Amino acid sequence: DVQVVESGGGLVRRGESLRLSCAASGFTLSGYWMTWFRQAPGKGPEWVGNINRQGTETHYVESVEGRFTITRDNAENSLYLQMNSLTADDTAIYFCARDATECRNSVCYDVHDIWGQGTMVTVSS
Amino acid sequence: AIQMTQSPSSLSASVGDTVTITCRATQGIRNDLAWYQQKPGEAPKLLIYAASTLQGGVPSRFSGTGSATYFSLTISSLQPEDFATYFCLQDFRYPRTFGQGTKVEIK
Repeated sequence: DVQVVESGGGLVRRGESLRLSCAASGFTLSGYWMTWFRQAPGKGPEWVGNINRQGTETHYVESVEGRFTITRDNAENSLYLQMNSLTADDTAIYFCARDATECRNSVCYDVHDIWGQGTMVTVSS
Repeated sequence: AIQMTQSPSSLSASVGDTVTITCRATQGIRNDLAWYQQKPGEAPKLLIYAASTLQGGVPSRFSGTGSATYFSLTISSLQPEDFATYFCLQDFRYPRTFGQGTKVEIK
């Protein structure tokens, strides 16, 4: 089965760090961009950031820029999210997702087609 | 950042009804828009990408249309399993941004 499974969530205090992992199976991670999303309790999803296939290019939402770092280990088929200086606003379920590329009429689109079930991060103040 | 305004925020409908949800972007996003369905305790599930392309395995009662700044998702003949929250997502510019969501409830 093609799937991604997140792990590493937990309860931390404000200012602390946490590293999330995303294990891919059923497909070769090196063939895909990957994205992290999050969803605060009772809120809609939020895009956190993404990383290219080689791990040489990343993009982040402004609220996490400079605090969060996305990396990957293609040999281990794993994606990571290093989160530093956590605040209560970072409390959320964190999802990783595969970014497939679908092309239609010579235009290509990012398609977040495979999502994990998420891992909960709670930051206490 | 591009803002996505989704409406309505909630709606009540009966099995068999047809419902339409809209998303407006604050700037043109070509047709780089996806629709997701989310049920409580689950991850979002991709329904449609490129504004109108149905993801594999998604029933044909779901359809999407639109381009530039205006998009819509239509669910024809609502089924019991369709009662959920729906989100649009623009993938045209960083940061990617979601609409606020539409909760489809049983009347």
